[in-house]
Amino acid sequence: AQSVTQLGSHVSVSEGALVLLRCNYSSSVPPYLFWYVQYPNQGLQLLLKYTSAATLVKGINGFEAEFKKSETSFHLTKPSAHMSDAAEYFCAVSSGGSYIPTFGRGTSLIVHP
Amino acid sequence: GAGVSQSPSNKVTEKGKDVELRCDPISGHTALYWYRQSLGQGLEFLIYFQGNSAPDKSGLPSDRFSAERTGGSVSTLTIQRTQQEDSAVYLCASSFGMGGYEQYFGPGTRLTVT
Repeated sequence: AQSVTQLGSHVSVSEGALVLLRCNYSSSVPPYLFWYVQYPNQGLQLLLKYTSAATLVKGINGFEAEFKKSETSFHLTKPSAHMSDAAEYFCAVSSGGSYIPTFGRGTSLIVHP
Repeated sequence: GAGVSQSPSNKVTEKGKDVELRCDPISGHTALYWYRQSLGQGLEFLIYFQGNSAPDKSGLPSDRFSAERTGGSVSTLTIQRTQQEDSAVYLCASSFGMGGYEQYFGPGTRLTVT
C-alpha cells in the first residue's frame, strides 16, 4: 500500500522568502515520487520527480526536492518565492504493484508582495 | 507537439441526465488515467487504462460510472443518471507507461449537475 501526506493545506510566504512544502510518503517498496503544480483552471504540470538516480532533485522554476528515506519525506523547496509561484502543489507517490500514482490533498501556496 | 486534450471544457447538465467526457491523450502514450477533483479534496483516482484494457476499476464511485478506451487512444468517461454529488472537475492524464513515468494532464472538464 502507498500513501502521501501533505502537511498544511495552505502555506503563505512573502515574495523573496523561502518556500517549503512538506510531503511524507508511505510505501513498502522503493517509490517513485513526484511534485506537480496546478495553476487556476489548468491541469497539473510536473515540477520534478525522484526515480532513485539522485536524492536531490532539481526541477523547473527553481524548485528542488530532497528524498530522505530515513524520514520518508520528499519536501519541496525554493530559495526565493515569486508572485508567479502562487498555485496548488501536489505530491504523488508511485510504487510496486500497479504503479498507479497516489496524490496528496494538495497545498495552496500564497505569495504576498 | 499536442498535449492532452479534453472535451467539453465545461458541462452543465440536469440531474438524472447522462454525460460523456472525452480525453485525447498524447500520441504514443500507452497509459491513460481519469481523476476527479473536488474543491479541497485533492485528486481522486477513478480508473486507468493500459492500452485498451482497464485492469483496475475499483476507483469508480458507483456503477453509474463507466469508461472505455479505443484504439489505444481516445477515452470516454460516461456518467449515467447524474447526481449533484458528481459535480467536480474531471481530469485525464496520460503517460508513456507505468511507474516512474510522469503524467501529462489535460485541462479538465468542469461538470456541474443542477
